[in-house]
Amino acid sequence: EAGVTQSPTHLIKTRGQQATLRCSPISGHTSVYWYQQALGLGLQFLLWYDEGEERNRGNFPPRFSGRQFPNYSSELNVNALELEDSALYLCASSVGQGGFYEQYFGPGTRLTVT
Amino acid sequence: GNSVTQMEGPVTLSEEAFLTINCTYTATGYPSLFWYVQYPGEGLQLLLKATKADDKGSNKGFEATYRKETTSFHLEKGSVQVSDSAVYFCALSVDSGGSNYKLTFGKGTLLTVNP
Repeated sequence: EAGVTQSPTHLIKTRGQQATLRCSPISGHTSVYWYQQALGLGLQFLLWYDEGEERNRGNFPPRFSGRQFPNYSSELNVNALELEDSALYLCASSVGQGGFYEQYFGPGTRLTVT
Repeated sequence: GNSVTQMEGPVTLSEEAFLTINCTYTATGYPSLFWYVQYPGEGLQLLLKATKADDKGSNKGFEATYRKETTSFHLEKGSVQVSDSAVYFCALSVDSGGSNYKLTFGKGTLLTVNP
């Protein structure tokens, strides 16, 4: 069974540009989560999508947005990039709603903003 | 709100030493508890979990027991190997019946095991 996949592996952008990150969940998983792992800040929850709807978002500005497609894959968009957006962005998927369901993580996209 | 506090390290041990990484939590509601591991250059992998009080999660020689009375979920391993060198994250998720299934992570503990 294929795991969670993310693309691209690395992304280099200039301040002010937009970045698009993609995630494909494990087959059969309907929930997709996005996390940011920035140096010194640890892992912070960004967004949660389930069945095509945004269900929850973390304490991030509106320039962080995304969507979930009918095949449950997801896209994270970051507009007006700032230097502090440089981080590893991790996507996770789970088979259903509920805190007891495991979240399976992808390898991440390393975003560098110069 | 929910939070996780874990010893920050770094922790450096010799092979075959005993490992303990402390983790305590605060939660509104009844949390599920997790330990994730991140090997160098990789994403997170679930190491073990426990979903109710007194449950013991175990995997690959690692163990952690859900202690509701002390709000703790300490990670232990009796004999570490060089291949255990990684960052370990304690995390919780609260099933509050609403839309709050995100994972809340501790800051991570870097473990280095020397031969």
